[in-house]
Order: sequence, then structure tokens, then C-alpha cells
Amino acid sequence: QQQVKQSPQSLIVQKGGIPIINCAYENTAFDYFPWYQQFPGKGPALLIAIRPDVSEKKEGRFTISFNKSAKQFSLHIMDSQPGDSATYFCAAIKHGSPNFGNEKLTFGTGTRLTIIP
Amino acid sequence: DAGVTQSPTHLIKTRGQHVTLRCSPISGHKSVSWYQQVLGQGPQFIFQYYEKEERGRGNFPDRFSARQFPNYSSELNVNALLLGDSALYLCASSFLSVNTEAFFGQGTRLTVV
Repeated sequence: QQQVKQSPQSLIVQKGGIPIINCAYENTAFDYFPWYQQFPGKGPALLIAIRPDVSEKKEGRFTISFNKSAKQFSLHIMDSQPGDSATYFCAAIKHGSPNFGNEKLTFGTGTRLTIIP
Repeated sequence: DAGVTQSPTHLIKTRGQHVTLRCSPISGHKSVSWYQQVLGQGPQFIFQYYEKEERGRGNFPDRFSARQFPNYSSELNVNALLLGDSALYLCASSFLSVNTEAFFGQGTRLTVV
């Protein structure tokens, strides 16, 4: 059962454009939503994350928009550069306590982003 | 500061064999989680360990097992390898058990032939 749906699967944007990647989740118990960037042959690297009590968060050129009622969130990359070409994953997690455990990240299927010069 | 380190980086095994993958978390991090990433898909949760105890297990067969040592490093073991076990195995560490900020290693690329 896929609890986080991500789209599009791939995206090509011209340099300077604003790629937008969308995710939708089902489990309303999720309380933290990170985005990861992954280059070929590397592990995912945390880009930016948001909690559901916030509608927008910006860090540098990266912005997360969050719509709690629609159970959707999206990543926007401002002034995109060829170096941003990578695969992007949204994820979600429900936090517990150390005694509960099983705090797993549930990932989307990924978006392969290509920024062309 | 060293990040999460995994070894080996690449591995080729034959069907039916056993494999052990290793992970050293960031210094001070007590939680280690393992994920399997099949080509073209997002990582799938396998195990979480915190303070040397298993805290969570994903939907993987009993052929998969793991443990965490007193220095918080961890091993993932897979028995009776199948072709479908070919994947990138990722280790993530975080300070607490919560993966609020989970830092991933670069992974071990396992190929089963």
C-alpha cells in the first residue's frame, strides 16, 4: 500500500525555471514531511522539511507548500540550475517515542528532475 | 565530522548466499535504520534500531535480520539471497529514535546473480 504518492515521475525544466513536484499522503497521523535529493550512486540527502502546522517553508531556493486539508505538499525550486538535476523524493513520518519505535520514513516513488541550460 | 559510513560500497553475490552489510552512524547518533532501494523506486524501510534494540521492522521476510552494537554501529544480514534482493541498501542515522533529521550513507549496492 503506497501511502505517499508523488508526481510527476520525471520533469525537464529550463535553467531559471521553477520545477514543482507534488506529493499526496493518506495517513493523517504523519507529522513530519521531509524532501530528499539523491544524485546517482549516492544516498538521499535531506533538503528541507515541514510540519503540518505550517503552510509554507523556505530555505534558500527551495520552498515547501503544505495543504493539510487536501493532504498534499509540494516542492518548488526557484531559479533552478543544472546542478539541481537529481532525483527528488518526498517522504512522511509519524513520530512516536523511543519506547514505541517503528518511526519509519515512507517515501514517494521519486521524481527525476533535469535542468537544461 | 564523518557522515554515515557504509561498507562495502559494492557487492556481488550468488543466489542462495549470505551477505552482511555494515553501517557506522554519525558520532553521537544512537538510532540506525536500514532501507532497501530498488532501482527507480523510493527507499523502503527494513529495520530501525535504537539503543541496541529493534524498534521497528518493515514488511520484509525473516531472511533479513539486523543488530546494533554497543558503539551504535549496525549490521544488516540477508540469508538465502534471491535475485530480487538486488538493490541499494541504505543506512540512516539520527540522534534520537525519531528520524526527524535522518542522515543517509551512500549505500551498499548489492547485486545478486
